[in-house]
Amino acid sequence: DFQMTQSPSSLSASVGDRVTITCQASQDVTNNLNWYQQKPGKAPKLLIYDASNLEKGVPSRFSGSGSGRYFLFTITSLQPEDIAIYYCQHYRMGLTFGPGTKVDVK
Amino acid sequence: QVQLVQSGAEVKKPGASVKVSCKASGYTFTNYYIHWVRQAPGQGLEWMGIINPSGGTTRYAQNFQGRVTMTRDTSTSTVYMEMKNLISQDTALYYCARDRTRSVVPTAPLFWGQGTLVTVSS
Repeated sequence: DFQMTQSPSSLSASVGDRVTITCQASQDVTNNLNWYQQKPGKAPKLLIYDASNLEKGVPSRFSGSGSGRYFLFTITSLQPEDIAIYYCQHYRMGLTFGPGTKVDVK
Repeated sequence: QVQLVQSGAEVKKPGASVKVSCKASGYTFTNYYIHWVRQAPGQGLEWMGIINPSGGTTRYAQNFQGRVTMTRDTSTSTVYMEMKNLISQDTALYYCARDRTRSVVPTAPLFWGQGTLVTVSS
């Protein structure tokens, strides 16, 4: 079965810190990998599509990289409003979401 | 602006069925796939399936094959998700979401409905 894993499952960082989340696919997905942010009580929001492309209106402190099976999501300077759960996602015969990474601010 | 407005919360008994609607506006309804994604309380995102509003073709996640049916009404720009034989573990927030592009292959839900809470309880 095709699977996505993320690490860490949760993290706590200070405002201004650089935060990095990894996502690993069980098979090569080329660059077909997206990143979502979900704040409490809200629908998910697409931040990054096709591994490294910033969706319109998304702040430039968010970025993505990688290809094949390994991907990184980075927040270059963590802000208080970035408290959320972040999910990676791939479409391969259907959508697959990673398990999520909970980001807190210290 | 693109909007997806879903029907209201539902409470169902085990074994019953539920039908959730998702009315689209602000774009050409038949040009973009619609996904259904659910989220159980405190849990992650689970993709249920997708419908092409143009021809009505569907693809369902393996976990929902045989229990979920997605349909659309082009006259009202509405898609529907019906699930039968509900169990308590189906208690979740159900989202519809429009895909990002008009590509032949859908890749990323971009515009999301507000979610519909379905509670299954005896």
